[in-house]
Amino acid sequence: NAGVTQTPKFQVLKTGQSMTLQCAQDMNHNSMYWYRQDPGMGLRLIYYSASEGTTDKGEVPNGYNVSRLNKREFSLRLESAAPSQTSVYFCAITRNTGELFFGEGSRLTVL
Amino acid sequence: DAKTTQPPSMDCAEGRAANLPCNHSTISGNEYVYWYRQIHSQGPQYIIHGLKNNETNEMASLIITEDRKSSTLILPHATLRDTAVYYCIVRVGDDKIIFGKGTRLHILP
Repeated sequence: NAGVTQTPKFQVLKTGQSMTLQCAQDMNHNSMYWYRQDPGMGLRLIYYSASEGTTDKGEVPNGYNVSRLNKREFSLRLESAAPSQTSVYFCAITRNTGELFFGEGSRLTVL
Repeated sequence: DAKTTQPPSMDCAEGRAANLPCNHSTISGNEYVYWYRQIHSQGPQYIIHGLKNNETNEMASLIITEDRKSSTLILPHATLRDTAVYYCIVRVGDDKIIFGKGTRLHILP
């Protein structure tokens, strides 16, 4: 999925630890999104950013913070990880024709 | 909440057309209908979108009813590789894009 790069791809944390998921795009698009997907479930929107310097809450923002310091990067931070945050996290951007383009995902396990 | 309703699962025989319905009865005049699919644990992949006219591309066709309250995604000749979860969403602009639970499509050999 060239164009949207997520790091790390895998991470194991202990309860209470913090970490930041990074998302970078090279497609020069304004809008960026963070979703989570639990096993067997659909995607749920955590936060999104319509442009550099702006962020808005999605469906499930509790326990997360985001940062959009520049157009290219949108990071998702877990300040104190909980087992309920074990999930696959997807970053996405919207292309010029409006469709979402997703990264490969970051698989997080919280023990 | 998602603005769309889809059946949780469907089966289709390989080689036949797969017709996936989506209800979006509260759609507003400037909202587009988008379809995505997700294979295993990969990120969702865009398929097609439309406003009110029917659309076709190399992957699928999208039929939108005249009142725009529902639509159907058609995969003309389903293959085993089309086994996936299919999501229908409605949106306008770069707003809060909410996915529903989608339809799990099983292609039967």
